[in-house]
Amino acid sequence: EAQVTQNPRYLITVTGKKLTVTCSQNMNHEYMSWYRQDPGLGLRQIYYSMNVEVTDKGDVPEGYKVSRKEKRNFPLILESPSPNQTSLYFCATRSGGRWNQPQHFGDGTRLSIL
Amino acid sequence: DAKTTQPNSMESNEEEPVHLPCNHSTISGTDYIHWYRQLPSQGPEYVIHGLTSNVNNRMASLAIAEDRKSSTLILHRATLRDAAVYYCILRDTNSGGSNYKLTFGKGTLLTVNP
Repeated sequence: EAQVTQNPRYLITVTGKKLTVTCSQNMNHEYMSWYRQDPGLGLRQIYYSMNVEVTDKGDVPEGYKVSRKEKRNFPLILESPSPNQTSLYFCATRSGGRWNQPQHFGDGTRLSIL
Repeated sequence: DAKTTQPNSMESNEEEPVHLPCNHSTISGTDYIHWYRQLPSQGPEYVIHGLTSNVNNRMASLAIAEDRKSSTLILHRATLRDAAVYYCILRDTNSGGSNYKLTFGKGTLLTVNP
């Protein structure tokens, strides 16, 4: 079964304490992406990766880092989290090739930064 | 990407058809029409997409107006599980390079009554 797995699903932490949200997919997809979802602002893209070792900024990359050392994993790193990064985060993947391949999303990670 | 307009909310009864409209009057000839939905506490889920012709799949049908300025997502028999926010998204094959970013609007909140 096609899966995009995010961990943790929920996290409450404090300002400045580094954290990593993991995203793993079992579909051998080249493209992976991170979004955040906030009330009234919809989903906004943070970073994306076209393939291993290829990453680029989305619309709201400030305060985040990513890495893509293996095809299946695309972790989102908050080096020094701040309260304005409290949000619901989604990882998404899609295969390369044909332009209109659908995207697959994880079930989300709800982060609360106090 | 061109803008879409959807009603904020719609209501339906279980086992009845639902027609979810989307206006996209500034659509260009290379814009595909995508629909995703987001169930409560889950990530967005691909529903269907099309360019000019009407499309059917196991989840829904997509009816596209002849001038392509509007489209309708049709759920043939709504179930309680179909209660979700439905997003109509235009994706231009010529824009964004190889970043397959999806631009989500506010969508339509569908309530299904038992």
